Amino acid sequence: SAVISQKPSRDICQRGTSLTIQCQVDSQVTMMFWYRQQPGQSLTLIATANQGSEATYESGFVIDKFPISRPNLTFSTLTVSNMSPEDSSIYLCSVEATGELFFGEGSRLTVL
Amino acid sequence: AQSVTQPDIHITVSEGASLELRCNYSYGATPYLFWYVQSPGQGLQLLLKYFSGDTLVQGIKGFEAEFKRSQSSFNLRKPSVHWSDAAEYFCAVGAGTSYDKVIFGPGTSLSVIP
Repeated sequence: SAVISQKPSRDICQRGTSLTIQCQVDSQVTMMFWYRQQPGQSLTLIATANQGSEATYESGFVIDKFPISRPNLTFSTLTVSNMSPEDSSIYLCSVEATGELFFGEGSRLTVL
Repeated sequence: AQSVTQPDIHITVSEGASLELRCNYSYGATPYLFWYVQSPGQGLQLLLKYFSGDTLVQGIKGFEAEFKRSQSSFNLRKPSVHWSDAAEYFCAVGAGTSYDKVIFGPGTSLSVIP
Protein backbone atom coordinates (compact mmCIF):
# COMPACT_ATOMS: atom_id res chain seq x y z
CA SER A 1 0.00 0.00 0.00
CA ALA A 2 0.95 3.65 -0.06
CA VAL A 3 0.13 6.54 2.22
CA ILE A 4 0.05 9.92 0.52
CA SER A 5 0.25 13.26 2.26
CA GLN A 6 -0.70 16.43 0.47
CA LYS A 7 -0.08 20.00 1.51
CA PRO A 8 -1.92 22.28 1.76
CA SER A 9 -5.18 20.50 2.41
CA ARG A 10 -7.03 23.65 1.46
CA ASP A 11 -6.26 27.24 0.61
CA ILE A 12 -7.93 30.41 -0.54
CA CYS A 13 -5.97 32.24 -3.18
CA GLN A 14 -6.17 35.54 -4.97
CA ARG A 15 -6.58 35.77 -8.72
CA GLY A 16 -3.27 36.01 -10.54
CA THR A 17 -1.19 34.31 -7.87
CA SER A 18 0.40 30.87 -7.97
CA LEU A 19 0.28 28.04 -5.47
CA THR A 20 2.43 24.96 -5.15
CA ILE A 21 0.93 21.71 -3.87
CA GLN A 22 3.20 19.12 -2.34
CA CYS A 23 2.73 15.38 -2.46
CA GLN A 24 4.74 13.07 -0.22
CA VAL A 25 4.52 9.27 -0.41
CA ASP A 26 5.66 6.88 2.29
CA SER A 27 7.35 4.56 -0.20
CA GLN A 28 9.32 4.85 -3.40
CA VAL A 29 7.12 4.83 -6.48
CA THR A 30 7.90 5.10 -10.14
CA MET A 31 4.81 6.87 -11.38
CA MET A 32 2.93 9.70 -9.75
CA PHE A 33 -0.19 11.24 -11.17
CA TRP A 34 -1.93 14.57 -10.67
CA TYR A 35 -5.69 14.82 -11.05
CA ARG A 36 -8.11 17.72 -10.86
CA GLN A 37 -11.65 17.42 -9.55
CA GLN A 38 -13.72 20.49 -10.29
CA PRO A 39 -16.75 21.15 -8.07
CA GLY A 40 -19.33 18.43 -8.53
CA GLN A 41 -17.32 16.80 -11.28
CA SER A 42 -15.27 13.69 -11.81
CA LEU A 43 -11.51 13.40 -11.80
CA THR A 44 -9.51 14.58 -14.77
CA LEU A 45 -5.91 13.50 -15.25
CA ILE A 46 -3.60 16.49 -15.51
CA ALA A 47 -0.25 14.82 -15.95
CA THR A 48 1.96 11.86 -15.17
CA ALA A 49 5.22 12.56 -13.35
CA ASN A 50 8.12 10.14 -13.50
CA GLN A 51 11.29 10.75 -11.58
CA GLY A 52 14.12 12.00 -13.74
CA SER A 53 12.03 12.99 -16.73
CA GLU A 54 9.66 15.71 -17.82
CA ALA A 55 6.04 15.28 -16.84
CA THR A 56 3.63 14.11 -19.51
CA TYR A 57 0.59 16.35 -19.79
CA GLU A 58 -2.87 15.38 -20.94
CA SER A 59 -4.76 17.27 -23.57
CA GLY A 60 -5.91 20.62 -22.29
CA PHE A 61 -3.16 20.96 -19.70
CA VAL A 62 0.15 22.74 -20.32
CA ILE A 63 3.40 22.97 -18.44
CA ASP A 64 3.30 26.76 -18.19
CA LYS A 65 0.04 26.61 -16.29
CA PHE A 66 0.71 23.47 -14.26
CA PRO A 67 4.47 23.01 -13.82
CA ILE A 68 5.36 19.77 -12.06
CA SER A 69 8.50 18.71 -10.30
CA ARG A 70 9.53 15.17 -9.39
CA PRO A 71 12.90 15.40 -7.66
CA ASN A 72 12.89 11.89 -6.18
CA LEU A 73 10.85 8.70 -5.91
CA THR A 74 8.75 9.84 -2.93
CA PHE A 75 7.93 13.47 -3.68
CA SER A 76 6.29 15.67 -6.29
CA THR A 77 4.89 19.15 -6.56
CA LEU A 78 2.21 20.66 -8.75
CA THR A 79 2.06 24.41 -9.20
CA VAL A 80 -1.11 26.11 -10.33
CA SER A 81 0.10 29.31 -11.98
CA ASN A 82 -1.61 32.64 -12.55
CA MET A 83 -4.78 31.35 -10.97
CA SER A 84 -8.28 32.33 -11.97
CA PRO A 85 -11.61 31.38 -10.37
CA GLU A 86 -11.90 28.57 -12.93
CA ASP A 87 -8.95 26.88 -11.22
CA SER A 88 -10.98 26.40 -8.05
CA SER A 89 -10.85 22.64 -7.66
CA ILE A 90 -9.59 19.77 -5.61
CA TYR A 91 -6.17 18.67 -6.82
CA LEU A 92 -5.27 15.07 -6.06
CA CYS A 93 -1.98 13.28 -6.09
CA SER A 94 -2.04 9.60 -6.93
CA VAL A 95 0.48 6.78 -7.07
CA GLU A 96 0.49 3.20 -8.20
CA ALA A 97 1.64 0.69 -5.63
CA THR A 98 0.97 -2.99 -5.03
CA GLY A 99 -1.31 -3.16 -8.03
CA GLU A 100 -3.56 -0.33 -6.97
CA LEU A 101 -3.93 3.39 -7.44
CA PHE A 102 -3.77 5.26 -4.16
CA PHE A 103 -4.95 8.81 -3.71
CA GLY A 104 -4.10 11.58 -1.35
CA GLU A 105 -6.82 13.44 0.50
CA GLY A 106 -6.57 16.23 -2.02
CA SER A 107 -5.85 19.94 -1.90
CA ARG A 108 -8.96 22.08 -2.13
CA LEU A 109 -8.19 25.42 -3.76
CA THR A 110 -10.57 28.33 -3.90
CA VAL A 111 -9.59 31.24 -6.11
CA LEU A 112 -11.24 34.57 -5.48
CA ALA B 1 -8.05 6.40 -26.24
CA GLN B 2 -10.27 4.90 -23.64
CA SER B 3 -13.42 6.44 -22.19
CA VAL B 4 -16.02 5.54 -19.60
CA THR B 5 -19.62 6.52 -19.06
CA GLN B 6 -21.91 6.17 -16.08
CA PRO B 7 -25.47 6.64 -17.30
CA ASP B 8 -26.96 7.36 -13.88
CA ILE B 9 -26.03 10.71 -12.37
CA HIS B 10 -27.92 10.09 -9.17
CA ILE B 11 -29.60 7.04 -7.63
CA THR B 12 -31.70 6.78 -4.49
CA VAL B 13 -32.32 3.43 -2.83
CA SER B 14 -33.86 2.33 0.43
CA GLU B 15 -31.65 0.84 3.08
CA GLY B 16 -31.61 -2.91 2.70
CA ALA B 17 -32.51 -2.81 -0.98
CA SER B 18 -30.23 -4.11 -3.69
CA LEU B 19 -28.07 -1.79 -5.76
CA GLU B 20 -26.67 -1.79 -9.27
CA LEU B 21 -24.58 1.05 -10.64
CA ARG B 22 -23.94 1.02 -14.35
CA CYS B 23 -20.64 1.57 -16.11
CA ASN B 24 -19.84 1.34 -19.80
CA TYR B 25 -16.38 1.71 -21.26
CA SER B 26 -14.78 2.16 -24.62
CA TYR B 27 -11.38 0.64 -25.30
CA GLY B 28 -9.97 -1.40 -28.14
CA ALA B 29 -8.32 -4.07 -26.03
CA THR B 30 -8.96 -5.66 -22.66
CA PRO B 31 -9.06 -2.79 -20.21
CA TYR B 32 -8.19 -2.43 -16.60
CA LEU B 33 -11.46 -1.58 -14.81
CA PHE B 34 -11.97 -0.08 -11.38
CA TRP B 35 -14.67 1.12 -9.06
CA TYR B 36 -13.82 3.82 -6.53
CA VAL B 37 -15.95 5.34 -3.80
CA GLN B 38 -15.64 8.89 -2.51
CA SER B 39 -17.49 9.61 0.69
CA PRO B 40 -18.26 13.22 1.66
CA GLY B 41 -15.06 14.94 2.72
CA GLN B 42 -13.05 11.79 2.23
CA GLY B 43 -10.50 10.60 -0.23
CA LEU B 44 -10.99 8.01 -2.92
CA GLN B 45 -11.09 4.37 -1.93
CA LEU B 46 -10.76 1.43 -4.28
CA LEU B 47 -13.73 -0.94 -4.05
CA LEU B 48 -12.56 -3.50 -6.59
CA LYS B 49 -10.68 -3.95 -9.85
CA TYR B 50 -10.64 -6.20 -12.87
CA PHE B 51 -7.56 -7.02 -14.87
CA SER B 52 -8.22 -10.49 -16.25
CA GLY B 53 -9.59 -13.90 -15.29
CA ASP B 54 -12.90 -14.40 -13.53
CA THR B 55 -15.33 -11.82 -14.80
CA LEU B 56 -17.16 -11.59 -11.46
CA VAL B 57 -14.99 -9.62 -9.08
CA GLN B 58 -15.49 -9.35 -5.36
CA GLY B 59 -14.54 -6.21 -3.55
CA ILE B 60 -14.62 -4.62 -0.15
CA LYS B 61 -17.73 -3.64 1.80
CA GLY B 62 -19.81 -6.39 0.16
CA PHE B 63 -19.58 -4.98 -3.36
CA GLU B 64 -19.08 -7.01 -6.52
CA ALA B 65 -18.84 -6.17 -10.19
CA GLU B 66 -19.18 -8.17 -13.37
CA PHE B 67 -17.15 -7.57 -16.50
CA LYS B 68 -19.15 -8.21 -19.66
CA ARG B 69 -16.98 -7.81 -22.73
CA SER B 70 -19.90 -8.20 -25.16
CA GLN B 71 -21.67 -5.26 -23.54
CA SER B 72 -18.54 -3.23 -22.69
CA SER B 73 -19.88 -2.99 -19.18
CA PHE B 74 -18.59 -3.28 -15.65
CA ASN B 75 -21.61 -2.82 -13.39
CA LEU B 76 -21.26 -2.58 -9.64
CA ARG B 77 -23.70 -4.44 -7.40
CA LYS B 78 -24.49 -4.85 -3.74
CA PRO B 79 -27.28 -7.12 -2.47
CA SER B 80 -28.23 -5.01 0.55
CA VAL B 81 -27.34 -1.34 0.87
CA HIS B 82 -26.43 0.26 4.18
CA TRP B 83 -26.91 3.93 5.03
CA SER B 84 -23.13 4.32 5.17
CA ASP B 85 -22.92 3.44 1.47
CA ALA B 86 -24.22 6.90 0.54
CA ALA B 87 -21.37 8.39 -1.46
CA GLU B 88 -20.12 9.18 -4.94
CA TYR B 89 -19.09 6.17 -7.00
CA PHE B 90 -16.64 6.39 -9.87
CA CYS B 91 -15.98 3.79 -12.51
CA ALA B 92 -12.56 4.06 -14.10
CA VAL B 93 -10.78 2.45 -17.02
CA GLY B 94 -7.09 2.06 -17.60
CA ALA B 95 -5.28 1.27 -20.80
CA GLY B 96 -2.65 -1.28 -21.49
CA THR B 97 -0.60 -2.93 -18.80
CA SER B 98 0.01 -0.08 -16.42
CA TYR B 99 -1.83 2.54 -14.48
CA ASP B 100 -0.84 5.19 -16.93
CA LYS B 101 -3.83 7.24 -18.08
CA VAL B 102 -6.55 5.89 -15.82
CA ILE B 103 -9.69 7.71 -16.93
CA PHE B 104 -12.60 8.25 -14.58
CA GLY B 105 -16.27 8.27 -15.40
CA PRO B 106 -18.52 11.17 -14.40
CA GLY B 107 -19.65 9.44 -11.23
CA THR B 108 -22.94 8.31 -9.74
CA SER B 109 -24.18 9.87 -6.55
CA LEU B 110 -25.90 7.37 -4.27
CA SER B 111 -28.42 8.41 -1.65
CA VAL B 112 -29.79 5.91 0.84
CA ILE B 113 -33.22 6.36 2.41
CA PRO B 114 -33.62 4.97 5.93
